[in-house]
Amino acid sequence: DAKTTQPNSMESNEEEPVHLPCNHSTISGTDYIHWYRQLPSQGPEYVIHGLTSNVNNRMASLAIAEDRKSSTLILHRATLRDAAVYYCILREYNAGNMLTFGGGTRLMVKP
Amino acid sequence: NAGVMQNPRHLVRRRGQEARLRCSPMKGHSHVYWYRQLPEEGLKFMVYLQKENIIDESGMPKERFSAEFPKEGPSILRIQQVVRGDSAAYFCASSHDRSNQPQHFGDGTRLSIL
Repeated sequence: DAKTTQPNSMESNEEEPVHLPCNHSTISGTDYIHWYRQLPSQGPEYVIHGLTSNVNNRMASLAIAEDRKSSTLILHRATLRDAAVYYCILREYNAGNMLTFGGGTRLMVKP
Repeated sequence: NAGVMQNPRHLVRRRGQEARLRCSPMKGHSHVYWYRQLPEEGLKFMVYLQKENIIDESGMPKERFSAEFPKEGPSILRIQQVVRGDSAAYFCASSHDRSNQPQHFGDGTRLSIL
């Protein structure tokens, strides 16, 4: 899997939007962009994924740059429960392969 | 619809003993992945199995570690002759097929070696 770069940590205030960036300048045409998060003492949890178009689901939105070299995970209203480590991962379609976790971004949410 | 179930949640072993970690995938999932998270480190892939077959074991240590996913029953990660450095959280994930579908994770087994 191609490499991704994320800030080590970010802070947000409760009930404000959060934009978590991810750079993946070496992404290939068949790589999907996946986001997972890991809450303290829990296993990773799938958040969202996309290929080229922006994606929305009940948890978050994913904005993908036109050149696909970067993406942004958007939490529309952060809650204390969103405090977690967020991982941006590239995954080749239909490879059935493992997820390669980097260091992720530790999101802290202040009340 | 039960999620991925791992047991035990916590396991304590003395050096030299064996550790057996179990993972029951989500209903309908036939692909299982094991990951290890050492203290203060990120998750690292260990092994990928499909029913009765090991597909990719490139992340498994060459000695003492083995994994299986029998036709019936849970997937088992087995560590023989444990050492202090095996202390970690071991996570199992499952997916429906080889496509781009998400992997669903269990809450892990925390292994402590005395």
